[in-house]
Amino acid sequence: GAVVSQHPSWVICKSGTSVKIECRSLDFQATTMFWYRQFPKQSLMLMATSNEGSKATYEQGVEKDKFLINHASLTLSTLTVTSAHPEDSSFYICSAPKQGNQPQHFGDGTRLSIL
Amino acid sequence: SQQGEEDPQALSIQEGENATMNCSYKTSINNLQWYRQNSGRGLVHLILIRSNEREKHSGRLRVTLDTSKKSSSLLITASRAADTASYFCATETSGSRLTFGEGTQLTVNP
Repeated sequence: GAVVSQHPSWVICKSGTSVKIECRSLDFQATTMFWYRQFPKQSLMLMATSNEGSKATYEQGVEKDKFLINHASLTLSTLTVTSAHPEDSSFYICSAPKQGNQPQHFGDGTRLSIL
Repeated sequence: SQQGEEDPQALSIQEGENATMNCSYKTSINNLQWYRQNSGRGLVHLILIRSNEREKHSGRLRVTLDTSKKSSSLLITASRAADTASYFCATETSGSRLTFGEGTQLTVNP
């Protein structure tokens, strides 16, 4: 069964809306989680590293005020896309490492469509 | 930035044939992982090969790693139509960060 749960799986909303995506580790504690974005027919691009109890680390070119990350507990990280616009429409995926040098566990992704 | 490059970008074969995908990277790694993604879906982990390993098998999958050339290959033997998907390599560096390659779109024709 899934060890990382991501919710919602699909969101359609109007331009200017803020959207929150949740990523939960189900049977392990994750001090670190990762958020990726994937545009159609492209690869996954790492957006940020979510750190429990501290600020997220953003990749170059990713606006931290646009993509708010909160990792308030050892099992939950949230990504909020603030004031979303059509160009933010994408597939967002989270992952969490359970153990070093082991496969990471990925959520099923959230398809975000901004009208 | 993406450090992985994969080739080919697209591969179309007949059922029963073997499919080989290649991945190159630029920096030192802890391990290299291969993932599969069906259209519009999440990632499925296929195989992980550590930096001190040279070859690994899992069912119809065979992965090689050449750290001197900073390259890896994924071989799928006796392909099936259900193997049609995008395949990504991902290199893990410090802090469990994964950097994905550009991916190979594999189409297996029945």
